[in-house]
Amino acid sequence: EAQVTQNPRYLITVTGKKLTVTCSQNMNHEYMSWYRQDPGLGLRQIYYSMNVEVTDKGDVPEGYKVSRKEKRNFPLILESPSPNQTSLYFCASSPSNYNQPQHFGDGTRLSIL
Amino acid sequence: TQLLEQSPQFLSIQEGENLTVYCNSSSVFSSLQWYRQEPGEGPVLLVTVVTGGEVKKLKRLTFQFGDARKDSSLHITAAQPGDTGLYLCAGEAGGTSYGKLTFGQGTILTVHP
Repeated sequence: EAQVTQNPRYLITVTGKKLTVTCSQNMNHEYMSWYRQDPGLGLRQIYYSMNVEVTDKGDVPEGYKVSRKEKRNFPLILESPSPNQTSLYFCASSPSNYNQPQHFGDGTRLSIL
Repeated sequence: TQLLEQSPQFLSIQEGENLTVYCNSSSVFSSLQWYRQEPGEGPVLLVTVVTGGEVKKLKRLTFQFGDARKDSSLHITAAQPGDTGLYLCAGEAGGTSYGKLTFGQGTILTVHP
């Protein structure tokens, strides 16, 4: 089954404790992206990657890191999480970045205390 | 940063009524996508419009892309309770912002039986 898998689905942690949210897709998609969703703000793009070893900042990259060492994986790293990063996070992939539908994972709800 | 203003933010109607959701920007987009999101899940693509003036129909849903590719609308005819959900528009910028996807704030639609 074609899918985008995020882990964990839920995480409660404390300020300053490094965490990684993994994202994996099995569709051989070139393009992957991370978003955060907050009430009243819709989805905001954090980082995106158009292919292996190619990453670019979205609209809200501060406090986040990503890497794309292989095509299927695109982890999101919070080196020193803060409470304002409490949010619902989505990973998405598409065959390419041009006019292609995004396939979304089911989301990761992060709470930073 | 390109912005997409989506309206209304909330819509509560009775079964059988018609409704329109708007997505407006001062920027030109190379394409515009409409998604629907259910609680606890990621957004799912409904349609992509690419050409200025384009109209696409999906059963009772009609999507239109403005002539100048700066705005779009989603019209639902004879809404049903199954249409309840969060509707999101997303624009792809193209050009030097190739790969960046901007989402509107979303419209929460509730259709009462």
